[in-house]
Amino acid sequence: NAGVMQNPRHLVRRRGQEARLRCSPMKGHSHVYWYRQLPEEGLKFMVYLQKENIIDESGMPKERFSAEFPKEGPSILRIQQVVRGDSAAYFCASSPPEGPYGYTFGSGTRLTVV
Amino acid sequence: GIQVEQSPPDLILQEGANSTLRCNFSDSVNNLQWFHQNPWGQLINLFYIPSGTKQNGRLSATTVATERYSLLYISSSQTTDSGVYFCAVSTSGYALNFGKGTSLLVTP
Repeated sequence: NAGVMQNPRHLVRRRGQEARLRCSPMKGHSHVYWYRQLPEEGLKFMVYLQKENIIDESGMPKERFSAEFPKEGPSILRIQQVVRGDSAAYFCASSPPEGPYGYTFGSGTRLTVV
Repeated sequence: GIQVEQSPPDLILQEGANSTLRCNFSDSVNNLQWFHQNPWGQLINLFYIPSGTKQNGRLSATTVATERYSLLYISSSQTTDSGVYFCAVSTSGYALNFGKGTSLLVTP
């Protein structure tokens, strides 16, 4: 029973490029959450999605960031025109249909913008 | 937004010692979870505990929701317990607000 799968584990992008981070939730989980961990800010909520629906994106920066969780396939966090300040660890978590009772986190994607 | 304060910020223990980590929060919550981030960065869920007491092996947790705090107990610590322990709470149920964590180092 695979856990939450994130890929890639490490991603290097030049300023101005696009970054795509993928997250496959645990089998049977239908809720996906994205968090960002910055060295000085700690872990911050970004977005909560269910299949084909964005439930809460109040933690997402207003520009350049978007997320989706299509009917088929993984959830995608997309960052357009990356800047140095986007360098961080991005974690995806999932929870079962009953609700957020015990998140399971993936191993994270470490994004470095050069 | 809700404030989450964890103490102590840093802790060094010898193997075999016991410890108590504390989490204070500023508002009523309907979701509280404890996580361990190991030295490789992996976040492991320890407890979902918005109220009451739970135990899992050498770890146990107690949340007193009416007084807005939670405690994580680690008994007979091992070097593999090293890492950062996070308390995370939510008033919405799903968007967790993380504390800054307690960094634990267990020495042989």
